[in-house]
Formats: sequence, C-alpha cells, structure tokens
Amino acid sequence: AQSVTQLGSHVSVSEGALVLLRCNYSSSVPPYLFWYVQYPNQGLQLLLKYTSAATLVKGINGFEAEFKKSETSFHLTKPSAHMSDAAEYFCAVSESYGQNFVFGPGTRLSVLP
Amino acid sequence: DGGITQSPKYLFRKEGQNVTLSCEQNLNHDAMYWYRQDPGQGLRLIYYSQIVNDFQKGDIAEGYSVSREKKESFPLTVTSAQKNPTAFYLCASSIETMNTEAFFGQGTRLTVV
Repeated sequence: AQSVTQLGSHVSVSEGALVLLRCNYSSSVPPYLFWYVQYPNQGLQLLLKYTSAATLVKGINGFEAEFKKSETSFHLTKPSAHMSDAAEYFCAVSESYGQNFVFGPGTRLSVLP
Repeated sequence: DGGITQSPKYLFRKEGQNVTLSCEQNLNHDAMYWYRQDPGQGLRLIYYSQIVNDFQKGDIAEGYSVSREKKESFPLTVTSAQKNPTAFYLCASSIETMNTEAFFGQGTRLTVV
C-alpha cells in the first residue's frame, strides 16, 4: 500500500532563506509524485509532478523537487522564500491510474519578515 | 475557462439533517473524487468515481453517499449518520490515465450547528 510522510507539520523560515519541505513515500512500484500548495480556505493547486522523465523537477513559483529512489524521497525546495509562499504544502503519490492519490498530512510553511 | 466548481462555499446544517454538496467539472475528466480535510490530518478519500454510473468507497465512506449520473457532476450527500460532519470538503477530477494530476475545486466548508 502507498503511504506518504511529511516531516514537520510546521516549518518557519525567514524571507530570503532556503525552503526545504520533506516528503518520503512508500510504494511497491515506481510511483508518480506530486506537490500541491493550499492557501487558506481554498483548493489545492499543483506545484509540480514527477513523471519519471527527470529526477529534478521544476515547478511554478520557483519551486523544485528531486526524486531520490534510494531514499524514497521527493523533497521540495526553493532557494529564496517569499512572503507569498506562506501556505500549506501537500505531497501526494499515485501508483497507477489516477483514482488512487494518497496525500501526506501536509506541512504549514510560515515566512518571517 | 475549464475547471471544477464546488458550491456552496460555506454551508451550515442542523444536526440530523442530510445535506448535498455540489461538484461540477467541465474538463471532460472521467475520474472524480471527494476528499475530507481536517486540521492536521491531510486529505482523506471519501468516494471516487472512474466512470459514469460507477463509484467506489474510499477510506472514510461511512455516513456519506454519492451519485454519478453525468460525467461532469459528482454530488456528495452528507447524511445524518455521519457523526462528525464539520469539515472542509474538496472535490477533484483527473484524466483516467497514469501520470496525471488531480485538479481541485475551491472547497466547501460544512459546519453543523
């Protein structure tokens, strides 16, 4: 069965600092991996997705993530945090056809001035 | 513009009443999903449907019901049997192939009063 863990339910960084949000997955087959962002009282918006074409994936708003099979990880990074990055971030995994997305518990990112 | 529309955005219900949340998509997606979101618990799958007139229970289907009479519509009924219905409900859809992400609506916040 698939599962996703996100280390740290709340992460705080200073504006301009590196953002690192951790995601580890469990999957019996090569997975498809996704990062979503959610602003308060809104739906989820796709940041990026891993589709096996390249291990380093670039997404919107300057975010990127690296797929590391040996570590079963898909950590999300951004070189320089902006105040507008404050939101909740969800990592998700899918093993097969799109009917079975499994989401992590989420990490709330705070950006301090 | 293509997308997923959930209505209403806020909904109040008295205990013992059934209530139906609307979800409509014009993306021509085959698969549709309902998730429940509670603080600190991420997204939990209630029901999903891969095709018209067919749907499957997710992890927390008890106290909920759905229908899929049209490709573009997937309404969720929260019944009086759901013991703790106050939550944020998210509808999503995806193309029924591998390697595709889920697209989300803006959510409905249900409060039992």
